[in-house]
Amino acid sequence: NAGVMQNPRHLVRRRGQEARLRCSPMKGHSHVYWYRQLPEEGLKFMVYLQKENIIDESGMPKERFSAEFPKEGPSILRIQQVVRGDSAAYFCASSQGPNNSPLHFGNGTRLTVT
Amino acid sequence: GENVEQHPSTLSVQEGDSAVIKCTYSDSASNYFPWYKQELGKGPQLIIDIRSNVGEKKDQRIAVTLNKTAKHFSLHITETQPEDSAVYFCAAIQTGNQFYFGTGTSLTVIP
Repeated sequence: NAGVMQNPRHLVRRRGQEARLRCSPMKGHSHVYWYRQLPEEGLKFMVYLQKENIIDESGMPKERFSAEFPKEGPSILRIQQVVRGDSAAYFCASSQGPNNSPLHFGNGTRLTVT
Repeated sequence: GENVEQHPSTLSVQEGDSAVIKCTYSDSASNYFPWYKQELGKGPQLIIDIRSNVGEKKDQRIAVTLNKTAKHFSLHITETQPEDSAVYFCAAIQTGNQFYFGTGTSLTVIP
């Protein structure tokens, strides 16, 4: 009865490196959302995906950020050429579908860019 | 898009007292309103939710009320305990759309 699994829990990258954050949704969930949270701030929507489809990426920065949710395997949030401003907690959430199904969150990946 | 405002941003109560957190939303098409509790170092956890066809819902010490006309909904925690200390987020959603979260309320229950 595993919940939403995110790994790694903590990720340290130097400026200019790539960060790859992984999210395995709850069993039976086919919808994945990524959120970003800065210290003592709220949850900022980034992207909403279904299997093999990006449904809404209106919260994603235009450059350096991408997300995918392949047919097999976890959803991946990829940040290329990281900068210090990318340091934040990144949360993944999953749901059964779009019809007001509750979101279930993972415990996040805390990215630190040095 | 939807705009969700949440108040207060911080709240301190004595153990045993009640805590109330309020949210307003802008889009009358929103029809699902969950509340999440986030403890330090963890992801938000769903604690209660309400749909637009219901005015009030209660689960033990937690209750949520919804006023569709005024476009506001509130979280009520009675008989607060130290373990209720956390950050609480409200959200408003339209069918099929993304979740719009409030900015959070940091609740401290003083023993």
